[in-house]
Amino acid sequence: EDKVVQSPLSLVVHEGDTVTLNCSYEVTNFRSLLWYKQEKKAPTFLFMLTSSGIEKKSGRLSSILDKKELFSILNITATQTGDSAIYLCAVGPQTGANNLFFGTGTRLTVIP
Amino acid sequence: KAGVTQTPRYLIKTRGQQVTLSCSPISGHRSVSWYQQTPGQGLQFLFEYFSETQRNKGNFPGRFSGRQFSNSRSEMNVSTLELGDSALYLCASTRTSERNEQFFGPGTRLTVL
Repeated sequence: EDKVVQSPLSLVVHEGDTVTLNCSYEVTNFRSLLWYKQEKKAPTFLFMLTSSGIEKKSGRLSSILDKKELFSILNITATQTGDSAIYLCAVGPQTGANNLFFGTGTRLTVIP
Repeated sequence: KAGVTQTPRYLIKTRGQQVTLSCSPISGHRSVSWYQQTPGQGLQFLFEYFSETQRNKGNFPGRFSGRQFSNSRSEMNVSTLELGDSALYLCASTRTSERNEQFFGPGTRLTVL
């Protein structure tokens, strides 16, 4: 059975801290791993990773994928209160399908 | 470029009724996927449409159905509503069915009483 596991389930940090969110997966049909940020409603796309070892960066956020060990991490440096959200990890299948398989998410709370 | 739009944003129905939700993808996007999000189960895939054809279906009962029109807009229908259908229904679009990065709409919050 396909599985995407995120850890920790929740995290409370102070502004300025650096956080690392984890995502491990066991899927039979892997093409890509995606990270989303969900605040109130719609998940917002952050990164898509398809190759091992290549770090993707966007401002204070970065992510890397390890296809051998089947995990990914999302790093957020110098956290701000606006980073408070649920961070979702999803696995995308090989060609011919577009059904993302999501983890249950990590709830990040950043306090001033 | 306008994002994914969904209507209505909120809906209250009673058990046994049926409901139709609508989704307009980002201009130029031809693949539309639907997801159900609940506190207990998280985000779960319902189905995907591409070029008016259902390409994939998740593990949901036949009461959940959908369709896609020639302009890529999509609708999903839930018949004989049950209390457990209360959820946030999210639609996501992507340019083709060969790409995984999906862009989500704001969702429709369905409450079944």
